[in-house]
Amino acid sequence: AQTVTQSQPEMSVQEAETVTLSCTYDTSENNYYLFWYKQPPSRQMILVIRQEAYKQQNATENRFSVNFQKAAKSFSLKISDSQLGDTAMYFCAFMKETSGSRLTFGEGTQLTVNP
Amino acid sequence: EPEVTQTPSHQVTQMGQEVILRCVPISNHLYFYWYRQILGQKVEFLVSFYNNEISEKSEIFDDQFSVERPDGSNFTLKIRSTKLEDSAMYFCASKTPESSYNSPLHFGNGTRLTVT
Repeated sequence: AQTVTQSQPEMSVQEAETVTLSCTYDTSENNYYLFWYKQPPSRQMILVIRQEAYKQQNATENRFSVNFQKAAKSFSLKISDSQLGDTAMYFCAFMKETSGSRLTFGEGTQLTVNP
Repeated sequence: EPEVTQTPSHQVTQMGQEVILRCVPISNHLYFYWYRQILGQKVEFLVSFYNNEISEKSEIFDDQFSVERPDGSNFTLKIRSTKLEDSAMYFCASKTPESSYNSPLHFGNGTRLTVT
């Protein structure tokens, strides 16, 4: 079974600064996918960024980037130039390569961006 | 962009009653999911559904729960004899059959279920 761990229940950052959210996971799979989802106060689950395990290059999406360390089973999210709208709960999630496979989520990190 | 829609947004029910949570997945999606998030806790997988049958379910998804796709568009989660601990946000999600990278899960806005 897969497990995903986010060891930071809460984090805060000043507007325009950079913050990194940590995520580790455990799996025996060799090929899989990793995701970060954002859940603002509206409770909607919004996909932020995704990474394929067999790609060594770290994924980037505008101000969001990841540091994927496959050997260490680590998948951190870096948010640059933080904006007030980035305030949300952030969930790290794992998915096996199998078609239709489920997502396994971490506990979440509540990020607050302060003006 | 197409969306997964869930109704109602908030459902209040008395303990012991049955509730049906409704979801309309994105039209060309073929995999459907229900997740649950108890307040302050992680998002937990309940069940996945494909080709008109359950493809995977978690230990949470016991005989109290059932899912159905009655008319080719709606995807429902029925909870029989609700308990206080069923109070949670329930999320529906869907995806296409493409590889998981190219087709991540798309989530609805959730239904907040309150059992009193």
